[in-house]
Amino acid sequence: AQSVSQHNHHVILSEAASLELGCNYSYGGTVNLFWYVQYPGQHLQLLLKYFSGDPLVKGIKGFEAEFIKSKFSFNLRKPSVQWSDTAEYFCAVKGLTGGGNKLTFGTGTQLKVEL
Amino acid sequence: EAGVVQSPRYKIIEKKQPVAFWCNPISGHNTLYWYRQNLGQGPELLIRYENEEAVDDSQLPKDRFSAERLKGVDSTLKIQPAELGDSAVYLCASSLLRGDGYTFGSGTRLTVV
Repeated sequence: AQSVSQHNHHVILSEAASLELGCNYSYGGTVNLFWYVQYPGQHLQLLLKYFSGDPLVKGIKGFEAEFIKSKFSFNLRKPSVQWSDTAEYFCAVKGLTGGGNKLTFGTGTQLKVEL
Repeated sequence: EAGVVQSPRYKIIEKKQPVAFWCNPISGHNTLYWYRQNLGQGPELLIRYENEEAVDDSQLPKDRFSAERLKGVDSTLKIQPAELGDSAVYLCASSLLRGDGYTFGSGTRLTVV
């Protein structure tokens, strides 16, 4: 079975600070990896995804994530956060070997950016 | 493109009452998912459809939950009877068959009192 662990449940940063949100997954085969964001009162939106190739993927709004296969990690980063980045961030994994098309989410990290 | 449309947005019911949620996926998306998101948690898959077939319903509490997607397009999720613990946001998502991108709807926030 596949699972996802997000280390930080709540993060508070000042504007312009750098962001790194941890994500580790558990799965024995090939995976697709995702980060979703949920702004207050809005639906889940895809930030970025990794399927194959360059392990450093860039998404919308200046976010990027790095897939480190040996560590089963897919951490999300942003060099300088803005107040508008306040949201909840979810890491998700989809196992490709026998896992069908099932997307499993982590518990989420609530990010608050203060002015 | 309209996106994934869910209704209602909010629902408050008394325990033991029935409730139903509706989802219209993106046109052409063969795969439809129902997820439940409890407060402070990530979404958890309840059921996945490929066209009109439920291919993964292992997490669906079948004693009180049911779902259908009769024509392989829109879908309904029903709870009968509802319990206090069913209070959550019910999310619908769709994708192309074994596709990479999921598009989520806005969800239905259910409160059982």
